[in-house]
Amino acid sequence: GQNIDQPTEMTATEGAIVQINCTYQTSGFNGLFWYQQHAGEAPTFLSYNVLDGLEEKGRFSSFLSRSKGYSYLLLKELQMKDSASYLCAVRHNTDKLIFGTGTRLQVFP
Amino acid sequence: DTGVSQDPRHKITKRGQNVTFRCDPISEHNRLYWYRQTLGQGPEFLTYFQNEAQLEKSRLLSDRFSAERPKGSFSTLEIQRTEQGDSAMYLCASTSNPSEGYTFGSGTRLTVV
Repeated sequence: GQNIDQPTEMTATEGAIVQINCTYQTSGFNGLFWYQQHAGEAPTFLSYNVLDGLEEKGRFSSFLSRSKGYSYLLLKELQMKDSASYLCAVRHNTDKLIFGTGTRLQVFP
Repeated sequence: DTGVSQDPRHKITKRGQNVTFRCDPISEHNRLYWYRQTLGQGPEFLTYFQNEAQLEKSRLLSDRFSAERPKGSFSTLEIQRTEQGDSAMYLCASTSNPSEGYTFGSGTRLTVV
């Protein structure tokens, strides 16, 4: 079976740091993606981890531990425009993406 | 290239009618995926093409759903005898190299009344 868990909702304050966790149990694993999705819009690519460790890209960082089936997305210096849903997705061996339910992040001033 | 295009953006149909959606991927992308997303959920995999070959189809996809990619470029997704439970956002994504990410279209929002 395929199981990807992430919190449903999170709130944070402008300028703060927030960490969104994702745990997964899937029948195949070929890497993990994080996507951002604003309401009514297409998901947009944020990061891809295939090896253990931290990948940093500007204000966004993503971490992967394959042995623990665990990833997180770290957002620094939060801005109001970061209010969106953040989707954790496992790249299956067959290259399809298996998504979690998404974490809706609300940033308050 | 303007990215992945989907048409129409919105579709309202009566229960029992057939609907067809179109996806135009980024031109050099040989892989094309269809997903379905309902409110508050992540996208759910439906089917996948590499060039014109349909390589995988979700077991959740009923026989009322069919997808084609006849020339390995654009793709169509048809739903026959629509049901209210088919109401969702239908997303298309394409890539030439999955390790570099998948580009999603803005989706077709289907409402079955």
